[in-house]
Amino acid sequence: GDSVTQMEGPVTLSEEAFLTINCTYTATGYPSLFWYVQYPGEGLQLLLKATKADDKGSNKGFEATYRKETTSFHLEKGSVQVSDSAVYFCALSGNAGGTSYGKLTFGQGTILTVHP
Amino acid sequence: EAQVTQNPRYLITVTGKKLTVTCSQNMNHEYMSWYRQDPGLGLRQIYYSMNVEVTDKGDVPEGYKVSRKEKRNFPLILESPSPNQTSLYFCASSSSGSSGTGELFFGEGSRLTVL
Repeated sequence: GDSVTQMEGPVTLSEEAFLTINCTYTATGYPSLFWYVQYPGEGLQLLLKATKADDKGSNKGFEATYRKETTSFHLEKGSVQVSDSAVYFCALSGNAGGTSYGKLTFGQGTILTVHP
Repeated sequence: EAQVTQNPRYLITVTGKKLTVTCSQNMNHEYMSWYRQDPGLGLRQIYYSMNVEVTDKGDVPEGYKVSRKEKRNFPLILESPSPNQTSLYFCASSSSGSSGTGELFFGEGSRLTVL
């Protein structure tokens, strides 16, 4: 079945440092890939997404590129801020036969803490 | 405003006392789902519904029930809660089918403690 593996956390960085959170996946067909962010005490919000190979999703300075050859979707940001402190989830949506059926499979989440 | 609304947000209950967590969405989404979030395990799907009167088990359905009598509502029922159901629960919805990319819209979560 589908699965998502994220790098172990927690990750602690100083403000303005470079961020990478690794994500690899196993899936049949052509899944859509997502990064969700969960701020303290809140639900999950979509951060960015990519629906086909070589697509780059970007939002709020974060980027991730859908790499089918390495089955990866690593999240990067060039300069993190204290306000980026949150839990980040990589996820995929099965896309068998070109029809998306809504279920997301999530990684275990990576806690990011950014210090001033 | 497009949203998914869950209630209650926080609940402490005792073993065996039936409870229901409500979920409502105002986006006319066909697909709705319940997830539980536990430390180190990410989010795991409990049940999902492709449309009214169509529900199916997710990865961890034991101890839970759902119903989908109306398109906007998808309540989660714990008939006889046990301490291992202490968790953070999320309801989510999506526009399924070929017009969607599978993006889920989440509620703010319901933190349940079973003593």
